[in-house]
Amino acid sequence: DGGITQSPKYLFRKEGQNVTLSCEQNLNHDAMYWYRQDPGQGLRLIYYSQIVNDFQKGDIAEGYSVSREKKESFPLTVTSAQKNPTAFYLCASSIFEGALGYGYTFGSGTRLTVV
Amino acid sequence: RKEVEQDPGPFNVPEGATVAFNCTYSNSASQSFFWYRQDCRKEPKLLMSVYSSGNEDGRFTAQLNRASQYISLLIRDSKLSDSATYLCVTTSGTYKYIFGTGTRLKVLA
Repeated sequence: DGGITQSPKYLFRKEGQNVTLSCEQNLNHDAMYWYRQDPGQGLRLIYYSQIVNDFQKGDIAEGYSVSREKKESFPLTVTSAQKNPTAFYLCASSIFEGALGYGYTFGSGTRLTVV
Repeated sequence: RKEVEQDPGPFNVPEGATVAFNCTYSNSASQSFFWYRQDCRKEPKLLMSVYSSGNEDGRFTAQLNRASQYISLLIRDSKLSDSATYLCVTTSGTYKYIFGTGTRLKVLA
């Protein structure tokens, strides 16, 4: 079955550490995205990538980095520069035909907690 | 003005009731519209796309009003299992979606 796999499901980070969240899809989607969700709030876009080796900053990119070396993979690194990283992180993918989108498929998320 | 706006609720309704949510969007060039459902501590899941002519999927009906720039979701015969947060989503340019903050629905026994 096609889908998006995020790992780990839960991640604990010490102050000052960098951590990397994994996101893999086998849907053959060109576009991939990272969102952050804080309790009781909406989804905020961190980074997105339309094609391999290209990505754009979203609304809250500071303190995060990404890479897109393969179509299937879009890992997110939460760096020590991110001052408040505790949140629910969601990866998604999508296909577009011009400006017409067909909706996202989401992974099941990674819950990151700073300890 | 936010690009996509929703009433956060909560909407508390009895089982069997009909409930409707609206969502307004600011980008008149938006091409695609969706409703997603998100359960507590889970990822959002696509509920339905919204087409210009309106569309129905069982107890759920979605409408698009381009002139007034809003979309709506109607749920008939509410079930306890419909309790969730409903997210309105539209496109912003190419390859980018904008989410509303969601409307919380609680169906009461």
